Amino acid sequence: QQQVKQSPQSLIVQKGGIPIINCAYENTAFDYFPWYQQFPGKGPALLIAIRPDVSEKKEGRFTISFNKSAKQFSLHIMDSQPGDSATYFCAASGGGSRLTFGEGTQLTVNP
Amino acid sequence: EPEVTQTPSHQVTQMGQEVILRCVPISNHLYFYWYRQILGQKVEFLVSFYNNEISEKSEIFDDQFSVERPDGSNFTLKIRSTKLEDSAMYFCASSVSSPLHFGNGTRLTVT
Repeated sequence: QQQVKQSPQSLIVQKGGIPIINCAYENTAFDYFPWYQQFPGKGPALLIAIRPDVSEKKEGRFTISFNKSAKQFSLHIMDSQPGDSATYFCAASGGGSRLTFGEGTQLTVNP
Repeated sequence: EPEVTQTPSHQVTQMGQEVILRCVPISNHLYFYWYRQILGQKVEFLVSFYNNEISEKSEIFDDQFSVERPDGSNFTLKIRSTKLEDSAMYFCASSVSSPLHFGNGTRLTVT
């Protein structure tokens, strides 16, 4: 019940495309859903996060869509750029407890 | 911008040896964490630490592991007798509440 399922495992888009990465969770006690971006040799860096009281959050080119009833959330990257090529992890936590990460999506944005 | 710093960046050790991984969290943060990432896999929670004691630990964090905050700035992870399967990236993180801020990790290679 602690698991967070992420898909796809890898994704290739052209520059300007809109990659979408999806995550699903089981634990209804989760109340914090961040997305992390990780470049090779670096630690995960927070990109954007949402709480279940809203269905969408935008920060720059990054948007989280959240569907509480379906227990799913997704990351959309508008106007993707080659510099967005990285591994993206969704995560979830509840009541300040541990962050549970998804399996990661390796995104490649071709020029 | 303040950041979490980890040393060393790469540690090679022989099976059965003890290793200590070091972290300097962001100075006003109160919660400290260790996560690990086996190559190509997701980031996994090991332990959280607050008010000078472990607040939560995962099933991975067995008796071989220990954490310590020996002074006001450092936070360490000790593995008493390393195994081959301990080879991974170990990330330290800190927070005030959320979000977690991660360091760039220590790559531990057990031979």
